[in-house]
Amino acid sequence: ETGVTQSPTHLIKTRGQQVTLRCSSQSGHNTVSWYQQALGQGPQFIFQYYREEENGRGNFPPRFSGLQFPNYSSELNVNALELDDSALYLCASSYTGHSSGANVLTFGAGSRLTVL
Amino acid sequence: DAKTTQPPSMDCAEGRAANLPCNHSTISGNEYVYWYRQIHSQGPQYIIHGLKNNETNEMASLIITEDRKSSTLILPHATLRDTAVYYCIVRYNNDMRFGAGTRLTVKP
Repeated sequence: ETGVTQSPTHLIKTRGQQVTLRCSSQSGHNTVSWYQQALGQGPQFIFQYYREEENGRGNFPPRFSGLQFPNYSSELNVNALELDDSALYLCASSYTGHSSGANVLTFGAGSRLTVL
Repeated sequence: DAKTTQPPSMDCAEGRAANLPCNHSTISGNEYVYWYRQIHSQGPQYIIHGLKNNETNEMASLIITEDRKSSTLILPHATLRDTAVYYCIVRYNNDMRFGAGTRLTVKP
């Protein structure tokens, strides 16, 4: 089975620009979560997508938005970039079934964004 | 906010067992405890999870106290490649809330 792949791996933007990050979920997974990890900190939850809709959101402003596509892949869009948006952006996929239970995330390697 | 508390750092001798503690005193009855690790700013890697019973897999063992307010991840024979940041997580709504984790350094 293929794992979670993210693109691009590295990118540099300037303040005020917009960025789109992409994620392909692991085969058999239907849910995608996005995390932001600043240097030296743990990953911070941005939001989760399930059935092409946002299914939970962390403490991030509306300029952070996302999409999930019918094939379960996902995009993270960030508008009006700020210097503090410089971070590693991690995508994780998982399977959400009918019954509640364990929810194991499989992470991609991340996209490292630098905002100048 | 993360619902777990972990020591910021620990050392372990190569070949010895590494025991990483985690406090989750506000855990709810149906919340699982998950452990992940992260090496060199790669994506976090799943290690193990549990609800009430102790669990073991090829990577580690997870010991959960009877009151479920704390747990311990055990790496039975630590190697240099186990040097990483280890995160203990309790699921909160639809997300996994990571804290700062424990930086484990395995020394020769």
